[in-house]
Amino acid sequence: AQSVTQLDSHVSVSEGTPVLLRCNYSSSYSPSLFWYVQHPNKGLQLLLKYTSAATLVKGINGFEAEFKKSETSFHLTKPSAHMSDAAEYFCVVSEGSSGGSYIPTFGRGTSLIVHP
Amino acid sequence: GAVVSQHPSRVICKSGTSVKIECRSLDFQATTMFWYRQFPKQSLMLMATSNEGSKATYEQGVEKDKFLINHASLTLSTLTVTSAHPEDSSFYICSAPPGQGLLETQYFGPGTRLLVL
Repeated sequence: AQSVTQLDSHVSVSEGTPVLLRCNYSSSYSPSLFWYVQHPNKGLQLLLKYTSAATLVKGINGFEAEFKKSETSFHLTKPSAHMSDAAEYFCVVSEGSSGGSYIPTFGRGTSLIVHP
Repeated sequence: GAVVSQHPSRVICKSGTSVKIECRSLDFQATTMFWYRQFPKQSLMLMATSNEGSKATYEQGVEKDKFLINHASLTLSTLTVTSAHPEDSSFYICSAPPGQGLLETQYFGPGTRLLVL
């Protein structure tokens, strides 16, 4: 069984300051982990993914995440927040099923608020 | 990159009517597609897994007779909300893995906002 916990429902930062969005996971096997971003009334866009290669993953728009197996964490960071980063962020874990497909499990989401 | 489209983007209907939502993979074939529902300020909840050429697999608590899924081809899955009621109003999103070697990655459609009056 797999699960995802996003520790913060809201994160508020000032423009130009670092961003940290926390995610912890639980998985029976070696999971694939993802971060998606959703702007208001929009679909989801893939920011980055970890699939058992390098533990530090770089994504789009300056975001990166580090897979730490010992801590079962996959926190999302960005050195300097931009106003356009304000959105909902979802951490997702996906592991294979017996049927061969991968079924994703979503965290509850973290709303990133960026102040001028 | 892999693109998934949904149609319509928004729909308003009267209570008791049925609504069909289409999900298409535009540049890849998808033997599996996923349907989610997202209520305001909440996460995506997986409703069902759509399998091309076979019956859909529904998550616990999702009524298969109310949410009919048809995956008629490798690029199209449809979700029909039958006899819709106001509590069915939600944001419906589909996703699909882009293919071999990338089964763990999901590409999402832009979503369909359903409002039942």
